[in-house]
Amino acid sequence: EVQLVQSGAEVKKPGESLKISCKGSGYSFTSYWIGWVRQMPGKGLEWMGIIYPGDSDTRYSPSFQGQVTISADKSISTAYLQWSSLKASDTAMYYCARATVTTGDYWGQGTLVTVSS
Amino acid sequence: NFMLTQPHSVSESPGKTVTISCTRSSGSIASNYVQWYQQRPGSSPTTVIYEDNQRPSGVPDRFSGSIDSSSNSASLTISGLKTEDEADYYCQSYDSSTLWVFGGGTKLTVL
Repeated sequence: EVQLVQSGAEVKKPGESLKISCKGSGYSFTSYWIGWVRQMPGKGLEWMGIIYPGDSDTRYSPSFQGQVTISADKSISTAYLQWSSLKASDTAMYYCARATVTTGDYWGQGTLVTVSS
Repeated sequence: NFMLTQPHSVSESPGKTVTISCTRSSGSIASNYVQWYQQRPGSSPTTVIYEDNQRPSGVPDRFSGSIDSSSNSASLTISGLKTEDEADYYCQSYDSSTLWVFGGGTKLTVL
């Protein structure tokens, strides 16, 4: 069974750094991309970027380029999304999804990130 | 770059059929596959249609997808509506520069 298990909810202050994770199982982690999607409170889905754990090829949405960093550690079948300096506007639910370049299929349960002073 | 436009909300009664549209702003709807995701309140999205009209295993055949080149749109049709179908539905396609493009989402109310 394909599963993507994300790390737990986070509460951070503006300016702090954060790295959240997404662990894949039940499939060959290095044969699929992992995509990250943001959902701000009460809003729709926004694609952030994707990474291919097999060779770490990474592509970002222009809206998120330079704002976040996507990485992966194939040895532990885990992908990451990180911020170096959080803003209140980063408050959102973040989902990972097993993906191809064009779409996602299986989704993680989501990680809620709250940034508040 | 293109956008995908969905109606903000639709509603229908149990047992009826509802269709949700997803209109592509530029370029042909047929040039890249369209996917549909269901997101129930408080849950993560799940795929109900992929590659325009394919259903993942476990998705009931009450769900169907299609594309219409004349209106440059994709559609998700749900027949025999059940209260459990009440959710937000998102279409998604691919753009060579921005990669994943999502529609704004449609809230389906089954009343």
